[in-house]
Amino acid sequence: AQSVTQPDIHITVSEGASLELRCNYSYGATPYLFWYVQSPGQGLQLLLKYFSGDTLVQGIKGFEAEFKRSQSSFNLRKPSVHWSDAAEYFCAVGGSGTYKYIFGTGTRLKVLA
Amino acid sequence: DVKVTQSSRYLVKRTGEKVFLECVQDMDHENMFWYRQDPGLGLRLIYFSYDVKMKEKGDIPEGYSVSREKKERFSLILESASTNQTSMYLCAIQGAHIQYFGAGTRLSVL
Repeated sequence: AQSVTQPDIHITVSEGASLELRCNYSYGATPYLFWYVQSPGQGLQLLLKYFSGDTLVQGIKGFEAEFKRSQSSFNLRKPSVHWSDAAEYFCAVGGSGTYKYIFGTGTRLKVLA
Repeated sequence: DVKVTQSSRYLVKRTGEKVFLECVQDMDHENMFWYRQDPGLGLRLIYFSYDVKMKEKGDIPEGYSVSREKKERFSLILESASTNQTSMYLCAIQGAHIQYFGAGTRLSVL
């Protein structure tokens, strides 16, 4: 079955600390992978995407993610978190032959001043 | 920039009312989506449209219908709103395998 797992429902970090949000997927074909961020009361904004090629991808707002095929993972990282990064983060998987994307249940990030 | 506009940010309706949620895009994309977002459940696909007057059911279509009379507009219809349809509704369009989202409509059914 196709699925996306974000094992951490909530994460709290101090401002300036590093961040890693986990995402594991199960997908039968070559995956397209995405991270989105949602600020309170807003829609989802694309942070970064992976289709093919270099497994380390850079996104907006200083985020990066690494695709590890052997671990079926696509973890999101940021070296130094800012208070404005507090939001909910969603990992998603899709593929070239389908319109349908599968979203994880989200990780809510809290940033301590 | 991709622009996906949802007509209402907040709606309050009564049980049994017919509710229309509107979504408009300015990018001429074929694929448009309606999702429902609930805490702990992530995004669940209600309906998808791949062209004018063309639609497919998503994972949770029960209690909903859709209309796509023009390419730029995709409407979600709750024929008879119920309290369990209180939720955040997100419209998205898809271009080059990337989905772009509107700001969402938070619907409360009393």
